[in-house]
Amino acid sequence: GQNIDQPTEMTATEGAIVQINCTYQTSGFNGLFWYQQHAGEAPTFLSYNVLDGLEEKGRFSSFLSRSKGYSYLLLKELQMKDSASYLCAVLDSNYQLIWGAGTKLIIKP
Amino acid sequence: EADICQTPRYLVIGTGKKITLECSQTMGHDKMYWYQQDPGMELHLIHYSYGVNSTEKGDLSSESTVSRIRTEHFPLTLESARPSHTSQYLCASSSGKEDTGELFFGEGSRLTVL
Repeated sequence: GQNIDQPTEMTATEGAIVQINCTYQTSGFNGLFWYQQHAGEAPTFLSYNVLDGLEEKGRFSSFLSRSKGYSYLLLKELQMKDSASYLCAVLDSNYQLIWGAGTKLIIKP
Repeated sequence: EADICQTPRYLVIGTGKKITLECSQTMGHDKMYWYQQDPGMELHLIHYSYGVNSTEKGDLSSESTVSRIRTEHFPLTLESARPSHTSQYLCASSSGKEDTGELFFGEGSRLTVL
């Protein structure tokens, strides 16, 4: 079966750095997405990785290792507004998105 | 102004009622999707469409149906609502080649069936 694993919840301090991991087992791979979802709102796109390595976009970076079936989202200089759920999703061989359950990130002052 | 709009945002109805959740996008995207999401859970694909007159069932199509008569419009219909249909329904669209590309989500329709 297809599976996306990410921690259920993480806590970090304002101004700090946090890394949210995602491991996946899917039938084929055509890219990995990270989305941010604030409580009660719709997901918004953060990043897309299809090749190995690190993609940096401001305070957020996303890393991919296809051989390990592994990705992480790195958030720097955390702000209170970063409190949200972070969803990892993989595009499989049929170009269908397989979603993880999300990691709820709690930022404390 | 939202480029993808869902109505109603909130709906409370009784068991057995027929409902239609509306979704419209102004971005000219060919691909549109309906997802169901319960709190703290992953998104489940209900239906999707790759263009006008094209509709496919996802892995959780349940008892719902969709239509795609116009590019911008992708309504979801429940013929007979049940309490198990209580959930948040998210509509999304995307462009891009070979099914890649960022998904743009509507704000969701939160349905409660009594």
